[in-house]
Amino acid sequence: DADVTQTPRNRITKTGKRIMLECSQTKGHDRMYWYRQDPGLGLRLIYYSFDVKDINKGEISDGYSVSRQAQAKFSLSLESAIPNQTALYFCATSTPGRNRQGFSGELFFGEGSRLTVL
Amino acid sequence: QKEVEQNSGPLSVPEGAIASLNCTYSDRVSQSFFWYRQYSGKSPELIMSIYSNGDKEDGRFTAQLNKASQYVSLLIRDSQPSDSATYLCAVNRAGTASKLTFGTGTRLQVTL
Repeated sequence: DADVTQTPRNRITKTGKRIMLECSQTKGHDRMYWYRQDPGLGLRLIYYSFDVKDINKGEISDGYSVSRQAQAKFSLSLESAIPNQTALYFCATSTPGRNRQGFSGELFFGEGSRLTVL
Repeated sequence: QKEVEQNSGPLSVPEGAIASLNCTYSDRVSQSFFWYRQYSGKSPELIMSIYSNGDKEDGRFTAQLNKASQYVSLLIRDSQPSDSATYLCAVNRAGTASKLTFGTGTRLQVTL
């Protein structure tokens, strides 16, 4: 089984619907992230959480919300989906991993959730 | 200007050649630099990290960092068809904890 599991893997929905993407991990990491990937735009950070009580907006949080239900679970919601939210969504985890230069850790990605909003 | 810039490619190299992938970044206080590999339809995976100016070698991979020029590169020696993938450059800026900013990636094709 994957260490970082995303559900659903594929979802097609209609404009205006509420969608939840779920992520669970067995790596024991405190830090969890949601990214979206679009052709030509790369990976962009939506939200991140360093522990259950610490949730932060990333660079493109508008239209999204998150919930950190437990150390191992981090969900992304689209309250009212729109077509430009069609993308590949990745959940990731990391340790704090820090050396003198800065972050020295590694992001571990889930397999991705492909969302299509019609 | 994008924070992290990469040529989208595709970069095509013959099997056995050296592939050179380049990345520039705009924020001078960037501290940590990473190369992730992403096969088509798969998730990214870390292959190299570098923190200090100079070269860092790991097997067939060499990462090079020049902070004065705000430039980081990845060399792949003896390129194999299995190296065909998209390579993502990622940067951690000072004061941003473990947040990474990714480039758009360079697609590498290794031809037989």
